[in-house]
Amino acid sequence: GEKVEQHESTLSVREGDSAVINCTYTDTASSYFPWYKQEAGKSLHFVIDIRSNVDRKQSQRLIVLLDKKAKRFSLHITATQPEDSAIYFCAPGTGGYKVVFGSGTRLLVSP
Amino acid sequence: GALVYQYPRRTICKSGTSMRMECQAVGFQATSVAWYRQSPQKTFELIALSTVNSAIKYEQNFTQEKFPISHPNLSFSSMTVLNAYLEDRGLYLCGARRDWGEWGAETLYFGSGTRLTVL
Repeated sequence: GEKVEQHESTLSVREGDSAVINCTYTDTASSYFPWYKQEAGKSLHFVIDIRSNVDRKQSQRLIVLLDKKAKRFSLHITATQPEDSAIYFCAPGTGGYKVVFGSGTRLLVSP
Repeated sequence: GALVYQYPRRTICKSGTSMRMECQAVGFQATSVAWYRQSPQKTFELIALSTVNSAIKYEQNFTQEKFPISHPNLSFSSMTVLNAYLEDRGLYLCGARRDWGEWGAETLYFGSGTRLTVL
């Protein structure tokens, strides 16, 4: 089955710097690549996604890059703000009914 | 916009008792609802996927006898944790999906979660 990994458990940056969170997957059939955010004590909410027909997508300060050959996609947050601090989860989709989450990367943005 | 209400937000139950959590989709038709548990170690486990008018699919290590799910219509799903014990504690999330196409191509809209504490 699909194996999803986020190797960095924690990432610390200074406010205003950029942050990059990576996710690798194993299933070559994966076609949908979302990122979800979990703030302290709260549920998950959708942040941004990318589909397999493109390799880059931007929404304001968020950029998602997809490298299908390497089976990796990444979330880039530019000009980070303290409110960006949260745990970020990737959850690549295979087109089937099972969504597998990565283990999460905790982003800490310090003033 | 799409919203998913989940309740209760928090619940405490005695060991061996049961508790029920509910998930309500507002603004869209939730043809599929997935129930997840986030353990204290923060990883998400898929418990089961419920699709209206289809059999509920449980993942390995989760059974209908322990986590019965009801999904009677396109806006509501509920799950019960029967005979809860310490290992059942954690944050339970429902994730609902619009039926736009293949499961893997669509965004999950999550409820606020139900945090279960077992005494």
